[in-house]
Amino acid sequence: DVKVTQSSRYLVKRTGEKVFLECVQDMDHENMFWYRQDPGLGLRLIYFSYDVKMKEKGDIPEGYSVSREKKERFSLILESASTNQTSMYLCASSGQVLRETQYFGPGTRLLVL
Amino acid sequence: DQQVKQNSPSLSVQEGRISILNCDYTNSMFDYFLWYKKYPAEGPTFLISISSIKDKNEDGRFTVFLNKSAKHLSLHIVPSQPGDSAVYFCAASEIQGAQKLVFGQGTRLTINP
Repeated sequence: DVKVTQSSRYLVKRTGEKVFLECVQDMDHENMFWYRQDPGLGLRLIYFSYDVKMKEKGDIPEGYSVSREKKERFSLILESASTNQTSMYLCASSGQVLRETQYFGPGTRLLVL
Repeated sequence: DQQVKQNSPSLSVQEGRISILNCDYTNSMFDYFLWYKKYPAEGPTFLISISSIKDKNEDGRFTVFLNKSAKHLSLHIVPSQPGDSAVYFCAASEIQGAQKLVFGQGTRLTINP
């Protein structure tokens, strides 16, 4: 069974803090993704990575950065958290085979005060 | 600009009846479509998919129909069961951006006993 884990289920941070969200997958997947889920907007892609040390911007990268130093780990960084980054953050991974399913972690609910 | 739209935020269906969830898309480059199901406090899980070379794909109680000329797909669940109560997301991808998914806003399905 594919397992995608996220470091925290709930997180409360203050405006201006630097925030790290960690994601680890155990299936040796090449691709990893970060989404945010907001009511009425569905899931929106923030960043993704096809390989170690490789990253590409998704649809809403502003205010975020990512790091992929190891194949199994993909980190999302909020350099200076703002209240409009309060959201549910979901990490996913998939293999390199065309059309392979994306497997999601349980999500991190982030509240920025 | 929402490329994948689910216009019904919620749907309520009697147990045992058919549930029909709809999804429209605008990008004619999309050629692969998926449905994900999401329970509260869990990540989305893959349900069923369809390629643009087909107009129907069936898996047990779940059937997805694709109408390319109308840029419309639908998910049919027959018969509906209480465990089907969840949020359903439609997603699409282009052949060129093979691993990137674009999600709809989601439809909350409630199955009433």
